Amino acid sequence: QKEVEQNSGPLSVPEGAIASLNCTYSDRGSQSFFWYRQYSGKSPELIMSIYSNGDKEDGRFTAQLNKASQYVSLLIRDSQPSDSATYLCAVNRHRDDKIIFGKGTRLHILP
Amino acid sequence: DTGVSQDPRHKITKRGQNVTFRCDPISEHNRLYWYRQTLGQGPEFLTYFQNEAQLEKSRLLSDRFSAERPKGSFSTLEIQRTEQGDSAMYLCASSLTSGYTFGSGTRLTVV
Repeated sequence: QKEVEQNSGPLSVPEGAIASLNCTYSDRGSQSFFWYRQYSGKSPELIMSIYSNGDKEDGRFTAQLNKASQYVSLLIRDSQPSDSATYLCAVNRHRDDKIIFGKGTRLHILP
Repeated sequence: DTGVSQDPRHKITKRGQNVTFRCDPISEHNRLYWYRQTLGQGPEFLTYFQNEAQLEKSRLLSDRFSAERPKGSFSTLEIQRTEQGDSAMYLCASSLTSGYTFGSGTRLTVV
């Protein structure tokens, strides 16, 4: 089992709809979880961090964490063409405090 | 500019040559990380420093790779006798507590 798993996509969502991105992780001791956005040819940009179970909202973005199910998700409301990018899920591994990344999900917002 | 700076942005080198990349972290960040990213993959951990001490080096790094962080400030990553398989984006990130801030990366192409 990979430490951080994401569906590679592409995930196609109509403009204005909700995009839902999912991630599972294997280390039950992990405490910190992150979503990064990466445009083609650019470096990752931190968009959300979440540390406790439940939802965390920031503008059009909502991160959801369920530690019992070892599941993290990112919702993007009112999707815009500028949201088209690869979204990387990242988890802070408890045993060595290192951040491990998934392969990323490519999101394509259809105008 | 108070972000993470990486130099150069792009490097094309012939197989067998040595290359060196530089990273200047955010000044108050004591941790500095190097990751490598190839097309379609998430960033993979290479090594990290806490202040000037190199605390861990991934098994991904062969003996041809070396990193330094003199005086706990900027860091360099050197690759000796480059191979085509070294072609990738090399990302530097820094942090103080949790969550990384990435630099813009150095794209290495070995021909």
